[in-house]
Amino acid sequence: GAVVSQHPSWVICKSGTSVKIECRSLDFQATTMFWYRQFPKQSLMLMATSNEGSKATYEQGVEKDKFLINHASLTLSTLTVTSAHPEDSSFYICSASSRNGYTFGSGTRLTVV
Amino acid sequence: DQQVKQNSPSLSVQEGRISILNCDYTNSMFDYFLWYKKYPAEGPTFLISISSIKDKNEDGRFTVFLNKSAKHLSLHIVPSQPGDSAVYFCAATRRGTDKLIFGTGTRLQVFP
Repeated sequence: GAVVSQHPSWVICKSGTSVKIECRSLDFQATTMFWYRQFPKQSLMLMATSNEGSKATYEQGVEKDKFLINHASLTLSTLTVTSAHPEDSSFYICSASSRNGYTFGSGTRLTVV
Repeated sequence: DQQVKQNSPSLSVQEGRISILNCDYTNSMFDYFLWYKKYPAEGPTFLISISSIKDKNEDGRFTVFLNKSAKHLSLHIVPSQPGDSAVYFCAATRRGTDKLIFGTGTRLQVFP
């Protein structure tokens, strides 16, 4: 079946630094990739939608300059958290949309100290 | 603005009995609904889905019911097993947008 590989699975970074999270579709082409974040015991909140080769569409309240999304190819999308702060600590998950439906990555636990 | 809600944050069910998880939505444009199972620090795993043209879909122990007039759907798991213990999310989308909007989640515990 369709697989989305997301890494790193966890990362700890210092406040003020940037962190990049990658999602790769291993055996299919992901024309659309979605990025979610989940705070403890809360829902998965959609942050942005990215289509290959075009700019990402951000949900209301999500800072596009802080959460940089690049979808340069049909198999790779990246989320960069710039100038991270402790309040950015969260669980980030990507999801790829294809003919197989929605395939989720395994998530990245980001802790900013 | 929570368009998809799961009003029960937790549910505890004895093994072998039926688990019923509920979900309500507000956006009448949603036309496709999905249920996911999720463990901590992992991505969601797809369980079952239903299109708005149907009112029921069944797959093994899992059945999803959709009541469009009430904007309500439910997931029935029978018989429940300890391995079903996880957080369950319902999600909704409108064909053409592809955006999945998740509910708030229900933690299911199945005890022996």
